[in-house]
Amino acid sequence: AQSVTQLDSHVSVSEGTPVLLRCNYSSSYSPSLFWYVQHPNKGLQLLLKYTSAATLVKGINGFEAEFKKSETSFHLTKPSAHMSDAAEYFCVVGSLSGGYNKLIFGAGTRLAVHP
Amino acid sequence: NAGVTQTPKFRVLKTGQSMTLLCAQDMNHEYMYWYRQDPGMGLRLIHYSVGEGTTAKGEVPDGYNVSRLKKQNFLLGLESAAPSQTSVYFCASSYNAGWDGDTQYFGPGTRLTVL
Repeated sequence: AQSVTQLDSHVSVSEGTPVLLRCNYSSSYSPSLFWYVQHPNKGLQLLLKYTSAATLVKGINGFEAEFKKSETSFHLTKPSAHMSDAAEYFCVVGSLSGGYNKLIFGAGTRLAVHP
Repeated sequence: NAGVTQTPKFRVLKTGQSMTLLCAQDMNHEYMYWYRQDPGMGLRLIHYSVGEGTTAKGEVPDGYNVSRLKKQNFLLGLESAAPSQTSVYFCASSYNAGWDGDTQYFGPGTRLTVL
């Protein structure tokens, strides 16, 4: 069975410094992986997804993630944080189940950005 | 193109009352989903639909019913609300759930409080 673990529940960075949000997954095969962002009192927005193509995936707003099969990781990074990046981020693994793509969510990482 | 919309945005119920949450999508997606989000947890799937007139149970279906009479709408009903159903409810839709890279698009959420 697939599962996903977000290693940090809270991350705090200063504006202009790099962001690293860590995610490990467990799967019996090479899965599809997603990162979603949720700004306060908003819905979830897709940042990027990996679907067995290039292992380095570029997303919106300067975010990217690298799929590392040997480490079963899919960490999210951004070179320089902006105040508007403050939000909750979810790492998600997709799993075909019963005719639909079952999304298995991590518990989330809350990113705080300080001036 | 509004994407996925949900009504209402907020609702307060008393224990035992009933209500219906409406989700609408204008992307002509076949698949629709209802999730709930509770503090410290990722999203959990309540019910889903793989097409007009079809529904199926997700991970946490107890206490909820759904209907998909029109392709663009997916209704979530609470027949007798309980405090344990206090949560934020998200609707999502997707085009083709036949692969694990299928992207789900989320609505803005409904914040429900049951007193």
